[in-house]
Amino acid sequence: KQEVTQIPAALSVPEGENLVLNCSFTDSAIYNLQWFRQDPGKGLTSLLLIQSSQREQTSGRLNASLDKSSGRSTLYIAASQPGDSATYLCAVKDHAGNNRKLIWGLGTSLAVNP
Amino acid sequence: NAGVTQTPKFRVLKTGQSMTLLCAQDMNHEYMYWYRQDPGMGLRLIHYSVGEGTTAKGEVPDGYNVSRLKKQNFLLGLESAAPSQTSVYFCASTGQGATDTQYFGPGTRLTVL
Repeated sequence: KQEVTQIPAALSVPEGENLVLNCSFTDSAIYNLQWFRQDPGKGLTSLLLIQSSQREQTSGRLNASLDKSSGRSTLYIAASQPGDSATYLCAVKDHAGNNRKLIWGLGTSLAVNP
Repeated sequence: NAGVTQTPKFRVLKTGQSMTLLCAQDMNHEYMYWYRQDPGMGLRLIHYSVGEGTTAKGEVPDGYNVSRLKKQNFLLGLESAAPSQTSVYFCASTGQGATDTQYFGPGTRLTVL
């Protein structure tokens, strides 16, 4: 059974710092991996989606990498800003089935301090 | 283009009462999902639908029922609410493309007393 783990559970950094959020999964046979952002009291917003055949995806100051063989993904945030404060969730889509279900990590709560 | 909308935003119920949460999407998506989010438990899938007229159970379906009579709407019902159903409920939808991501509604905060 696929399990997704995110470390650390919480992170507090000063503004301007570059940081890395980690996501690990137990079964390397994934279809894709996605990173989402959730602001307090809000729904989730998709940030980046990495296909199993890809190594990384970039969007602005965000870069997500995927290493299927080791069961790991990282989300790199460059030059962090207070507006980046949110919970970041990682989710994987297995090959099995055709129902587009995602398997979720518990998230990393990020606080960027001015 | 409103995306995914949910009604109501907040609700307080007494144990044993019933209610229906409505999810609507205007992106012509085939797949729709109901999740609940609880502290320390993350997102858990309650029920999902792969198309109009179809529904299926997720991880935690007990105490909930769903219907997808129209493609754009996905209803979640609680027939007899229990305090354990106090949670934040999210609806999401996605298209048929293999690279399509899930789009989420803003959530419904439900308290059962």
